[in-house]
Amino acid sequence: GNSVTQMEGPVTLSEEAFLTINCTYTATGYPSLFWYVQYPGEGLQLLLKATKADDKGSNKGFEATYRKETTSFHLEKGSVQVSDSAVYFCALSDNQAGTALIFGKGTTLSVSS
Amino acid sequence: KAGVTQTPRYLIKTRGQQVTLSCSPISGHRSVSWYQQTPGQGLQFLFEYFSETQRNKGNFPGRFSGRQFSNSRSEMNVSTLELGDSALYLCASSLDAGGPTDTQYFGPGTRLTVL
Repeated sequence: GNSVTQMEGPVTLSEEAFLTINCTYTATGYPSLFWYVQYPGEGLQLLLKATKADDKGSNKGFEATYRKETTSFHLEKGSVQVSDSAVYFCALSDNQAGTALIFGKGTTLSVSS
Repeated sequence: KAGVTQTPRYLIKTRGQQVTLSCSPISGHRSVSWYQQTPGQGLQFLFEYFSETQRNKGNFPGRFSGRQFSNSRSEMNVSTLELGDSALYLCASSLDAGGPTDTQYFGPGTRLTVL
């Protein structure tokens, strides 16, 4: 079945460091891929998405490229801020009958000043 | 435009009781999905409603049910609560159940605690 695997956290970085959170997926067909972020005590916010191979999603300095050959969608940011501290979820949607998302376990990012 | 709203935000129940959670989607959105979030299992899909019909269902027991009204508002019900039902229940809406490219927007969730 479809699945998403994320790197285990927590990830601890200093402000202005480079961030990579790895995400790989298994899916039949051609899924759309998403990164969501969850701040403490809140719901999920869409960070970025890509709907086909080689698409690059970007938002707020974060980027991820849909790599079909490696079935990956790694999240990157060149310079993290303390305000980026949150839990990041990689997800895919591959359900032709609806929009059910399959999520990874989440990666906790902690950025210190 | 107002986001997805969920009520109540917090709920405490005892085992054996039942509970109803409510979700109001973004205006104009016709699809509503529900997810359960727990520390152990992570985020898991419960079900999706579109035009008052359940279009998709996750792997949860029949104690979990839902419905959608003509104004797209949705409710989910959990009967005979168990301790393991303690979780954050998230509702998400999307403009159209158009398939994998559709984007879901999440509400803040309802925190259910079962004692």
